[in-house]
Amino acid sequence: AQTVTQSQPEMSVQEAETVTLSCTYDTSESDYYLFWYKQPPSRQMILVIRQEAYKQQNATENRFSVNFQKAAKSFSLKISDSQLGDAAMYFCAYWRGSRLTFGEGTQLTVNP
Amino acid sequence: DVKVTQSSRYLVKRTGEKVFLECVQDMDHENMFWYRQDPGLGLRLIYFSYDVKMKEKGDIPEGYSVSREKKERFSLILESASTNQTSMYLCASSLSSGLPRGTEAFFGQGTRLTVV
Repeated sequence: AQTVTQSQPEMSVQEAETVTLSCTYDTSESDYYLFWYKQPPSRQMILVIRQEAYKQQNATENRFSVNFQKAAKSFSLKISDSQLGDAAMYFCAYWRGSRLTFGEGTQLTVNP
Repeated sequence: DVKVTQSSRYLVKRTGEKVFLECVQDMDHENMFWYRQDPGLGLRLIYFSYDVKMKEKGDIPEGYSVSREKKERFSLILESASTNQTSMYLCASSLSSGLPRGTEAFFGQGTRLTVV
């Protein structure tokens, strides 16, 4: 079974600064999708960014970007110009076939 | 917008009770999922379904069963609730994978179940 590992249970960042959240995964497949989801205190899971494994170009969505290293099986999320509203639990996820597997999560605190 | 609705936001049940958690989606999605979320463990897949009446075990299926009689509804059943099943339960749905642009999973608001 695929595994997804987030080695940082907690991270903090100053408002307006940049932070990077780490994620590694284990798979023998070459075609799959990777996601970062955000879960604020409301508990509603929100998709932040998506990466298709066959695309070499790193995905970006406004202040959010990823560093996708396929050979290293690494998928980190960079948040630029951090805002108070970015404070949340962030989950990395791997998708292949009909199975979606999540990591343990990283709790991000944004300090004013 | 896709809407995934879980029947309860909070639920308290007694040990040994049979518990049903219901999830309904309104976007004709093929795939539906049940996860439980515990601190430090992230989201762990209990069961998923890729079509009506089709189901597959996830990583932690013990103590749970599921039912998918209609495409829009996916039920999680705790046959005999135990205190170690106290958790947050999240339902999700998605189109099948392999479509152009890939896909994403849409989540319900979660059910916090306490078994006493």
